[in-house]
Order: sequence, then structure tokens, then C-alpha cells
Amino acid sequence: DIVMTQSPESLAVSLGERATINCKSSRSVLYRSNNKNYVAWYQQKPGQPPKLLIYWASTRESGVPDRFSGSGSGTDFTLTISSLQAEDAAVYYCHQYYNNSPHTFGRGTKLEIK
Amino acid sequence: QVQLVESGGGVVRPGGSLRLSCAASGFNFSTYGMHWVRQAPGKGLEWVAEIWYDGSNENYLDSVKGRFSISRDNTQTTLYLQMNSLRDEDTATYYCVKDGRAEAVTDYFASWGQGTLVIVSS
Repeated sequence: DIVMTQSPESLAVSLGERATINCKSSRSVLYRSNNKNYVAWYQQKPGQPPKLLIYWASTRESGVPDRFSGSGSGTDFTLTISSLQAEDAAVYYCHQYYNNSPHTFGRGTKLEIK
Repeated sequence: QVQLVESGGGVVRPGGSLRLSCAASGFNFSTYGMHWVRQAPGKGLEWVAEIWYDGSNENYLDSVKGRFSISRDNTQTTLYLQMNSLRDEDTATYYCVKDGRAEAVTDYFASWGQGTLVIVSS
């Protein structure tokens, strides 16, 4: 199984500041034939299902604000929120879909407003 | 727009069975792979099972193999999860999830239902 190691477990960031969440896969999730990284990021607020933010490591889902961005390749990936808004307080998860048996998630990062 | 509505959750004793359903609408159901993903109370996300768009392939989390069975009815646009021999550790909210791309072998999770809670307790 591909293990997704997410860090930090939690962080507190002031409004308007940058938030950075990291995810490291136990082996490469870059598929050479199409040069795509099979990583997605999700946001989950209390009492709600997860919401897709980023796929292919850096493609923003339609409707997601452009302050959210994804980067990285191979085994190391980052979700960045460039200017934190109050509504961004949530838990964020990374997900690898390179190996679909099983799909695996990071353990989540709880983002709070300082 | 895409709608995924789960049902069938509830309280069941260890060793019991439950069948979850997910009514899908707003997209061409028969062309998308579908999944069940669960979340134990206060915990993270765990993928449980997937079924290809045409039902030709299924994959399962090791801990549910032989106990859970995923299926779909493309004419009724409904996804199912038959859960047998339930254990305490199966207690979770179960989400019905849709792939992002049609006929993909593997894909990101584009749309999620609201979830249905399964509690396994004596």
C-alpha cells in the first residue's frame, strides 16, 4: 500500500497569512506515461462531507478560490492557501489514486484561525 | 447537478448485516466508477470499496474483503454496499463517492454524498 504521510497534524494561521500543508507518499505517484501525479486534496468542515479542492496535484477544481494551490511531484506534495480566510478553517486531506487498491489518504491536517 | 443520497445506515449488533444504498442523479451514472469511503467518529478518511462504471471490476480494503460486497444497478442509478459479519471497528459514516472522469481506471473523488452512519454495537 502507498502510505501518505501528512504534516503537520494541526496548525494555526492568522487571517490573511499563508498556510502550507505537506504530504509525502511512500513511493512515487507520478505516472511516467502521462506525466501526471495522482494526488488530490480535499477540505472537510465539521458535519460536512469532504470537498474536492485539487487533483492531478495542481489542478484546481472548478469553483475553488484561486488562493488554494497545489504543487509537487513524485513523492512530495504541498497544499498552499495564500491568504487565509475565516471560512478556510477545516481539516484537509491528501489522497493518492495512483494505486487504486487501495486508495489511501493522509491522516488529515486541522487548520485553525489564530 | 450531481446528487448522491445514501440510506440504510443504523445500529446493528456485531456479526450482523446491513445494506447501504446510494441514489445517484444529475450525471450519466453508467459511465462513472463509484466508491464507498468511510470515516469513524472523530477520525480520518478510509477508502472501503470501488466498482468500475460497468460493474466489471471491484476492489476492496483488505479488512472488509469477504465481508462487504459492492454492487450497482445502472438502470436504477443506484450503488449498494452489502455489509456482513459487521465488527465494532466498522462503525463509521459511510460516504458514496463518484469518480471525476468517465470510464477512468483510477481517479480522484469528485463528488461526495452526505453520508449514512453505521453503528455496530451490542
